[in-house]
Amino acid sequence: AQSVTQLDSQVPVFEEAPVELRCNYSSSVSVYLFWYVQYPNQGLQLLLKYLSGSTLVESINGFEAEFNKSQTSFHLRKPSVHISDTAEYFCAVARGTSYGKLTFGQGTILTVHP
Amino acid sequence: KAGVTQTPRYLIKTRGQQVTLSCSPISGHRSVSWYQQTPGQGLQFLFEYFSETQRNKGNFPGRFSGRQFSNSRSEMNVSTLELGDSALYLCASGSDTDTQYFGPGTRLTVL
Repeated sequence: AQSVTQLDSQVPVFEEAPVELRCNYSSSVSVYLFWYVQYPNQGLQLLLKYLSGSTLVESINGFEAEFNKSQTSFHLRKPSVHISDTAEYFCAVARGTSYGKLTFGQGTILTVHP
Repeated sequence: KAGVTQTPRYLIKTRGQQVTLSCSPISGHRSVSWYQQTPGQGLQFLFEYFSETQRNKGNFPGRFSGRQFSNSRSEMNVSTLELGDSALYLCASGSDTDTQYFGPGTRLTVL
């Protein structure tokens, strides 16, 4: 079975500062990795994903994540955050081609202060 | 394309009752999965349906059941509700070759 650990439950940062949200996973088989974002009282929105190919993946709103197989990590980064990035972020893994069964981390609440 | 829709958005029930939640996937998606989100346990996988067959199942008691119809719409049923079933129930759909897309969820409160 696979598991996901998000190392920080809360991350406070000031606007325009860089941020890194950490995610480590464990699995005995190949996995696919995802970051989702959840705003208050809403569902989950896909931020970015790693399925194969380049280990650095980017989202349209400036986030990026790098798949590191040797360290079993998929950390999420943004060089300059905005107030609107305040939300809860979830790292998730799918085993092999079982895209329909995601295992989630506990979530990281990112709070951006002015 | 319209996104994943879930009905109802909010629901209040009492212990012992049963409830049915509905999910309409994105057009063309044949995989529908259900998740339970609570402050204590986080996001937990309930089950996945693909082409009307349950393909994966999480570690939940038999009170939690689901089904999928020929148009890919899915329903989830919880019988004999307990206080601990209060949660946000999220449905997600996918094309089975890529990502899952989530609906807004149904907030269930059990009194």
